[in-house]
Amino acid sequence: DGGITQSPKYLFRKEGQNVTLSCEQNLNHDAMYWYRQDPGQGLRLIYYSQIVNDFQKGDIAEGYSVSREKKESFPLTVTSAQKNPTAFYLCASTPEGGTGELFFGEGSRLTVL
Amino acid sequence: EDQVTQSPEALRLQEGESSSLNCSYTVSGLRGLFWYRQDPGKGPEFLFTLYSAGEEKEKERLKATLTKKESFLHITAPKPEDSATYLCAVHVFYQKVTFGTGTKLQVIP
Repeated sequence: DGGITQSPKYLFRKEGQNVTLSCEQNLNHDAMYWYRQDPGQGLRLIYYSQIVNDFQKGDIAEGYSVSREKKESFPLTVTSAQKNPTAFYLCASTPEGGTGELFFGEGSRLTVL
Repeated sequence: EDQVTQSPEALRLQEGESSSLNCSYTVSGLRGLFWYRQDPGKGPEFLFTLYSAGEEKEKERLKATLTKKESFLHITAPKPEDSATYLCAVHVFYQKVTFGTGTKLQVIP
């Protein structure tokens, strides 16, 4: 079955540590996205990528980094510079020329201890 | 600034009690309005896309409508399995999608 796989589902991190969240898709979609979801707030865009080896900052990119070395993979690194990293992180994708509807993974919940 | 406001924040219904969720928006140019369903601890699941005022779409007990300022998600005779958070989002340009904060629906048997 086609879809988006995020791992790990739950992750605990000590302050000062970097952590990388994995996102893999087998939908052959060109565009991939990372969103952050906090209670009482709408989803906020962290980074997005239209094609391999290219990505753009979203609304809240500070303290995060991404790479897009393969079409199917778009990992997100939460660095120690991110002041409030505890959140639910969602990866999504859309096909090239799509109408904008997003296909989401199951999410990764990061907790900083 | 583009804004999407959903109301109510939470809604509790008895099974079979129909109701509507609201999504009002202020954007510079609407390319599409989306409704998603999100279960606790899961990623959002796409429901509908609406493109122009007057458009309606249906899926089982759900019906989405769109005007120039707002969208409604009508739930007819809901069942407990309809309990979830319903998210509204607007597609403004290229990759800009703005989400509302959602309406948490609880359907009591």
